[in-house]
Amino acid sequence: DTEVTQTPKHLVMGMTNKKSLKCEQHMGHRAMYWYKQKAKKPPELMFVYSYEKLSINESVPSRFSPECPNSSLLNLHLHALQPEDSALYLCASSQGGARTLVNEQFFGPGTRLTVL
Amino acid sequence: QKEVEQDPGPLSVPEGAIVSLNCTYSNSAFQYFMWYRQYSRKGPELLMYTYSSGNKEDGRFTAQVDKSSKYISLFIRDSQPSDSATYLCAMSPLSGGSYIPTFGRGTSLIVHP
Repeated sequence: DTEVTQTPKHLVMGMTNKKSLKCEQHMGHRAMYWYKQKAKKPPELMFVYSYEKLSINESVPSRFSPECPNSSLLNLHLHALQPEDSALYLCASSQGGARTLVNEQFFGPGTRLTVL
Repeated sequence: QKEVEQDPGPLSVPEGAIVSLNCTYSNSAFQYFMWYRQYSRKGPELLMYTYSSGNKEDGRFTAQVDKSSKYISLFIRDSQPSDSATYLCAMSPLSGGSYIPTFGRGTSLIVHP
């Protein structure tokens, strides 16, 4: 299985809602990532988990809360979002770890989020 | 100056043309180079990766790295309308650990029949 899956594909939420994005991979990768991508822009890193521990938080507002329940799953909990948070949210995974010399990332299809 | 520069295009070519997509970079520590293809409203798909200067070929795609000039290219031969997508270059150091790639902004390619 060489796939990263994400659910839901589309999400529309109000500014007072609480929702979660889910990501799953079964490639045995130990690093997982959340990216945000606006139209015609490159992916913008939000969080990195390495061996289920949060290793990078790129100064993301607290209304975004990541969670890594196990080595295959990654969640992004959303609360009190703003309309400017509307974007494509991408999950990626890579082998990761100190013994890995190369680190190509495999991306999921993304969740298209619209905040009203 | 951004670490990775990539012309956003769009680049419009006729079917069958040879396409050249390029990125320049400023960080000498970058040793590992990747090309991703992203269709509209989809996640990026890893096309090719290389960590040495020179050429690497895979079917219609050739990745080229010139570390002395800090310049990388992706060539697409016999381009098809299905190649129409945004092509992102990405690069990272090669020293172990969980290094995060730095992405270019992507070049939009349109191949018209």
